[in-house]
Order: sequence, then C-alpha cells, then structure tokens
Amino acid sequence: ILNVEQSPQSLHVQEGDSTNFTCSFPSSNFYALHWYRWETAKSPEALFVMTLNGDEKKKGRISATLNTKEGYSYLYIKGSQPEDSATYLCAFGGSNYKLTFGKGTLLTVNP
Amino acid sequence: KAGVTQTPRYLIKTRGQQVTLSCSPISGHRSVSWYQQTPGQGLQFLFEYFSETQRNKGNFPGRFSGRQFSNSRSEMNVSTLELGDSALYLCASSGGLGVSTDTQYFGPGTRLTVL
Repeated sequence: ILNVEQSPQSLHVQEGDSTNFTCSFPSSNFYALHWYRWETAKSPEALFVMTLNGDEKKKGRISATLNTKEGYSYLYIKGSQPEDSATYLCAFGGSNYKLTFGKGTLLTVNP
Repeated sequence: KAGVTQTPRYLIKTRGQQVTLSCSPISGHRSVSWYQQTPGQGLQFLFEYFSETQRNKGNFPGRFSGRQFSNSRSEMNVSTLELGDSALYLCASSGGLGVSTDTQYFGPGTRLTVL
C-alpha cells in the first residue's frame, strides 16, 4: 500500500504570517507530485505538478519544492491572506494511471 | 472551455438501492478518474478510464463499477448501497496520456447520502 503523508493535519495562522506544509511520498517509481487547493464548497484546484528532483514552482505567493530522492515536497505560502484558507492536498503519481492523495492540510488564516 | 460537470449534485438513496453518477469531462479530455471522499479519509481512487478502457481500479468492492463512452463521458454505478457508501464522489479529467503527470481538473462532485 502506497502511503502519502501530509503534515500538519491542520494549521491556524494570522493574516500576514508565512507558513509551510510537508508532503512525504515513496521515493521509488516516481513520476510526479501534485499540489491542489480545495476550498469549501468548491472543486479541488491544481496548483503545481512537479516531475524533476529539485523542481521549484511558484504561483504568486505560493511556492513548492520537490526532493524525489528523499521523498518529500514542501508547499510555502508567503504573507497568508484569509482567502488562502483551504485544504491543501498533495498527490503522488506513479506508473499506474492513478494519483494517490494525502489526507490534506487544513489551513485557516485569521484576519 | 466548460469545466468538468457532474450530475446529479446531490442524491439520497436507501440501503440496497443502486445509483448511477455521471461525469462529463472538459472537451478534448480523454482520461476520467473517479474518487470517493469520506470524513477523515483523503480522496480514495476508484478507477480511471481512457478512451473507453479502464486502466486502473482502486481497492473497492465489485459493487462499484464504471464505464466510459466514446464521447469520453463517464458513469459510475454503485449497486446494493450500504450506509458506508455515503460520500462525496468526485471525477477529474485530464488531457494527456499520463494521468500521473497531467494536471487533473475536478468536477464539483456528487454528494451521495445513503439512509
């Protein structure tokens, strides 16, 4: 059974704080690591798909890094805003036509 | 481009009944994946279809089945419903050959309640 672990499970921060979460995944049979943001009452929305060891992606105040050799990825949010409140999901893509998702990190940004 | 659509959005069924959920992918997308989300669990993979072929199936009982049509629309069926089948069912489509490396575009989900 393939394990994708995310930590922390939940996080409360104040507006303006910077924060980061972790996703750990198997280092073998790796094709890609995905990050999605899931806001309440909406559909999960893709943030990044990363495929190469050492990849760094950035979208506005959100960025992500990837270490495939040790099997982890970090998602960073700089200067959190209330609209960043959401569940952040990572997903491991291997060779078998499926994504395996972690349980997510629930971020709450207090104004 | 229109996004992924799922119908119905909400369903209430009783134990023992069966249900069919529908997913229309983004135009041009040929891969459709289905996921189940229950409280405390992450998104659990159900199955993936590409050009009418099931390429992978998750660890769910045989009561869960699916299919894909030539226009890439997909349906999933759950027979003999159990209380534990109450969940949000999401489908996602992608445009390329590789589900693992392609961005997945999710629909709004179908909320199934089994009484």
